[in-house]
Amino acid sequence: QQQVKQSPQSLIVQKGGISIINCAYENTAFDYFPWYQQFPGKGPALLIAIRPDVSEKKEGRFTISFNKSAKQFSLHIMDSQPGDSATYFCAASNSGNTGKLIFGQGTTLQVKP
Amino acid sequence: DAGITQSPRHKVTETGTPVTLRCHQTENHRYMYWYRQDPGHGLRLIHYSYGVKDTDKGEVSDGYSVSRSKTEDFLLTLESATSSQTSVYFCATKLGSSGDTGELFFGEGSRLTVL
Repeated sequence: QQQVKQSPQSLIVQKGGISIINCAYENTAFDYFPWYQQFPGKGPALLIAIRPDVSEKKEGRFTISFNKSAKQFSLHIMDSQPGDSATYFCAASNSGNTGKLIFGQGTTLQVKP
Repeated sequence: DAGITQSPRHKVTETGTPVTLRCHQTENHRYMYWYRQDPGHGLRLIHYSYGVKDTDKGEVSDGYSVSRSKTEDFLLTLESATSSQTSVYFCATKLGSSGDTGELFFGEGSRLTVL
């Protein structure tokens, strides 16, 4: 019930391409779905987040698509750049439950120049 | 920068020894969390705190204890370290009051190696 499953584990994309990372959750009580970006040697940092009242949220080149009925959400990175090379984590929480986040397994993205 | 400092940043210890990791925040956030990061597992919650002296277990709490005697400090203790506790440990905080967006702010991590 608490799991968040993320795929793929790793991803290689050419510069200018689209990177897509997918996540699926089980707990229907989850109501907050963030994506975190982590560079080597650093802590994760919030990239973009969505709540289930909308199906899509876009911030610059980053878009979250959310499918409540399928219990799935995905991160799309348009015009991927070498500086986007990092590890990406999806997560989910029930905001009424102390906000503790359940994270996916992570995706290592490499954008080739 | 959410003003989170973790110490030590790196530690090598031997099996059976006690270890304490410290998280210090300057933002007066109500909630504090300890996660561990391992390849293939993402970040897993060890313990969290929702106020001074108020703590609760996460999904991987066995072998760990925590204490929060002040708003700004959250300590993670391994009473008797084991090799399975070799990991990178991250502290995180959340505002927990008006204006809270749900965002967690993370420290830079403490790498622990248990030999």
